[in-house]
Amino acid sequence: GESVGLHLPTLSVQEGDNSIINCAYSNSASDYFIWYKQESGKGPQFIIDIRSNMDKRQGQRVTVLLNKTVKHLSLQIAATQPGDSAVYFCAENMRSGGSNYKLTFGKGTLLTVNP
Amino acid sequence: EADIYQTPRYLVIGTGKKITLECSQTMGHDKMYWYQQDPGMELHLIHYSYGVNSTEKGDLSSESTVSRIRTEHFPLTLESARPSHTSQYLCASSEWGDRKAFFGQGTRLTVV
Repeated sequence: GESVGLHLPTLSVQEGDNSIINCAYSNSASDYFIWYKQESGKGPQFIIDIRSNMDKRQGQRVTVLLNKTVKHLSLQIAATQPGDSAVYFCAENMRSGGSNYKLTFGKGTLLTVNP
Repeated sequence: EADIYQTPRYLVIGTGKKITLECSQTMGHDKMYWYQQDPGMELHLIHYSYGVNSTEKGDLSSESTVSRIRTEHFPLTLESARPSHTSQYLCASSEWGDRKAFFGQGTRLTVV
């Protein structure tokens, strides 16, 4: 069954504001949680990941926070730009038997950046 | 940029036809995936492979089949296409143990 899901299907922000996209998960066996960005007409693109034993990781203008207590993941985008408009998916690298893993996605959030 | 290619980009085909969606990657990745995605919806894993001669069914039941005879090639076949198969099919690959998957542009399939 579905393990990864998102709280909100759409998010609209003003250019320059910070964006926060949330994700809930139910599978505690995942080693990594990953954020992907999918622009219209393209395949998803890796943004950032976080290992399950960490609670925060920062990249360029993005920060991912992991709260294992409440099984919650968030992606924060600083100074959101029009080019950030896309659908954002959280995903998890879920154990599928032995030492094998599979990449499973949750529902996406459509981020719209208004100029 | 990722070196993973899917063909065709768009396909409109009649009911009952056999189709093969091609996916090739030049990165030498062991793991490859097929996802099905309807417009504005999540990605559903339908098949994956850990390497040559390895294929596994994903979370979403699919009437399609896959093969992995060569590392770089992971085709998906529908023996008899139906309108319910209309969707976008996305192929991806990653190194073993790597969470960073590279995706192709997708094949948008329409069965009429």
